Amino acid sequence: DAKTTQPTSMDCAEGRAANLPCNHSTISGNEYVYWYRQIHSQGPQYIIHGLKNNETNEMASLIITEDRKSSTLILPHATLRDTAVYYCIVGPVTGTASKLTFGTGTRLQVTL
Amino acid sequence: DTGVSQNPRHKITKRGQNVTFRCDPISEHNRLYWYRQTLGQGPEFLTYFQNEAQLEKSRLLSDRFSAERPKGSFSTLEIQRTEQGDSAMYLCASSLGLSSGIYFGPGTRLTVL
Repeated sequence: DAKTTQPTSMDCAEGRAANLPCNHSTISGNEYVYWYRQIHSQGPQYIIHGLKNNETNEMASLIITEDRKSSTLILPHATLRDTAVYYCIVGPVTGTASKLTFGTGTRLQVTL
Repeated sequence: DTGVSQNPRHKITKRGQNVTFRCDPISEHNRLYWYRQTLGQGPEFLTYFQNEAQLEKSRLLSDRFSAERPKGSFSTLEIQRTEQGDSAMYLCASSLGLSSGIYFGPGTRLTVL
């Protein structure tokens, strides 16, 4: 059972910021928010994760609301190569039950 | 390339045949996962190893499926008596722990005729 809700699809113009929302209202205190993306015919690619603070790396920024019930993945300058399905997942921090449960994600189409 | 590798990348087989896939994780990653993905769906968890121990199996993993990781390094996934419904992309992933991210391989696409 996916614990997240994402829009089915989004469009973004190349060079603009892509803001992908995710609702995870039932997230528990010991769960991280993870973002992965999957470019057509490839395996999913890890992007970023966070617990409660905002995070940034070379790929993206993750903004988590103070109540942790939603988050936004930001691709600051989207390119055509960012066209992919983006998955928002909540999962445990530690322990042996370590699987991630994927939903159907958001299909981001970056256009010229 | 130091990422997760999977072989073969594509497999076409006839219904009823057995198939075996291999996964080589990132070296020193103690956790290894198998997922299955069908068209239009997100990956579905099948099973997970920590070192050589298989710690969790999904109910999707019927008795025709078996996974091993004998020395805590590479892993194999075998499907016996394949059915057309087994056609899917089989993804392997590895990690040092969830908090370090899970890294996926390119997958093995299985087609059962």
